[in-house]
Amino acid sequence: KAGVTQTPRYLIKTRGQQVTLSCSPISGHRSVSWYQQTPGQGLQFLFEYFSETQRNKGNFPGRFSGRQFSNSRSEMNVSTLELGDSALYLCASSAGQGNQPQHFGDGTRLSIL
Amino acid sequence: AQTVTQSQPEMSVQEAETVTLSCTYDTSESDYYLFWYKQPPSRQMILVIRQEAYKQQNATENRFSVNFQKAAKSFSLKISDSQLGDAAMYFCAHSGGTSYGKLTFGQGTILTVHP
Repeated sequence: KAGVTQTPRYLIKTRGQQVTLSCSPISGHRSVSWYQQTPGQGLQFLFEYFSETQRNKGNFPGRFSGRQFSNSRSEMNVSTLELGDSALYLCASSAGQGNQPQHFGDGTRLSIL
Repeated sequence: AQTVTQSQPEMSVQEAETVTLSCTYDTSESDYYLFWYKQPPSRQMILVIRQEAYKQQNATENRFSVNFQKAAKSFSLKISDSQLGDAAMYFCAHSGGTSYGKLTFGQGTILTVHP
């Protein structure tokens, strides 16, 4: 089975721009979660989607949004980028029932200039 | 709110020896799960072991085992016969029964394995 695939692996943007990150879950997984990882704040939960619906959301500003498609692929969008948005963004998928373990992708490294 | 605390920023161990990584947590949920994840420099988070809170028996996966003390809210990871490939950042994480898809992570422990 193919693992979780995140694209692109690296991205460089400037302040004020917007960015879209993509995540393809493991086949059959219907839940996709997104996390932001920074040296200062560690790993923080952004949101989770299940069957195209956002089921859970972390404490991030509205500039961070996401969506999930009918094939369970998910995208995360960040608008009006700030320097502090520089981070590793990780996506994880699971079957979605109960607390099945999450399986992570390699992440997208976003750098804001 | 759930919190997870890893009090050891760094640990080191000699190859073939045993090391224990500490984790404490706080939760208001009665139904929850605990995990240890490993993140090598390649940055992919890899699930090491999982413990269901309602199970009293400690989980084991080959050389990895946990010491789950529910009353003390403690969840330590023991790595036996350490190998060079075990070197990584280790994260303890909590998932509550009603917190769909949300893992709350500790700050991480960097494990160095000396040959």
